[in-house]
Amino acid sequence: EVQLVQSGAEVKKPGESLKISCKGSGYSFTSYWIGWVRQMPGKGLEWMGIIYPGDSDTRYSPSFQGQVTISADKSISTAYLQWSSLKASDTAMYYCARHAGTPGPDYWGQGTLVTVSS
Amino acid sequence: QSALTQPASVSGSPGQSITISCTGTSSDVGGYNYVSWYQQHPGKAPKLMIYEVSNRPSGVSNRFSGSKSGNTASLTISGLQAEDEADYYCSSYTSSSTWVFGGGTKLTVL
Repeated sequence: EVQLVQSGAEVKKPGESLKISCKGSGYSFTSYWIGWVRQMPGKGLEWMGIIYPGDSDTRYSPSFQGQVTISADKSISTAYLQWSSLKASDTAMYYCARHAGTPGPDYWGQGTLVTVSS
Repeated sequence: QSALTQPASVSGSPGQSITISCTGTSSDVGGYNYVSWYQQHPGKAPKLMIYEVSNRPSGVSNRFSGSKSGNTASLTISGLQAEDEADYYCSSYTSSSTWVFGGGTKLTVL
């Protein structure tokens, strides 16, 4: 069974750094892209970017390029999304999603709620 | 990359059929048969309902169907049931080798 298990909710202050995780199991982690999707409170889904754990090839939406960093550690089947300096506007639910190639996201993690507040 | 355009809301009575549209450009929806649809209930993660325009994953009811014409894709739900009430999102592969979502449509079952 394909599973993506994300790290727990985070509460941070503006300016702090953060790295959240997504651990894949039940499939060959290095053979599928893993992407990240943002959902701000009461809003829709926004595709942020994607990584291929097999070779760490990474792509970003223009809206998120330079704002976040996506990485992966294939030795532990885990993908990451990180911020170097959080803003209040980063408050959102973040989902990781396996991408079945060009068809796009198929399996999703349960989400990680990130709250940034002073 | 602009979000794909979906109606903000649609509604229907139990047993009826509804259709949700998803309009993009020739650089996304119109250029590839890689349109997917997702259902999201409040407080839950999205669930894949349709992939590659019209294919249903195993376990998804055949009441859900997808199609595409030009730059517009559509999701049709027939025989509406109360449990279908949720938010629905389309997504498409793009010419930039990225993906883009629609703004989402809230389905209300009257």
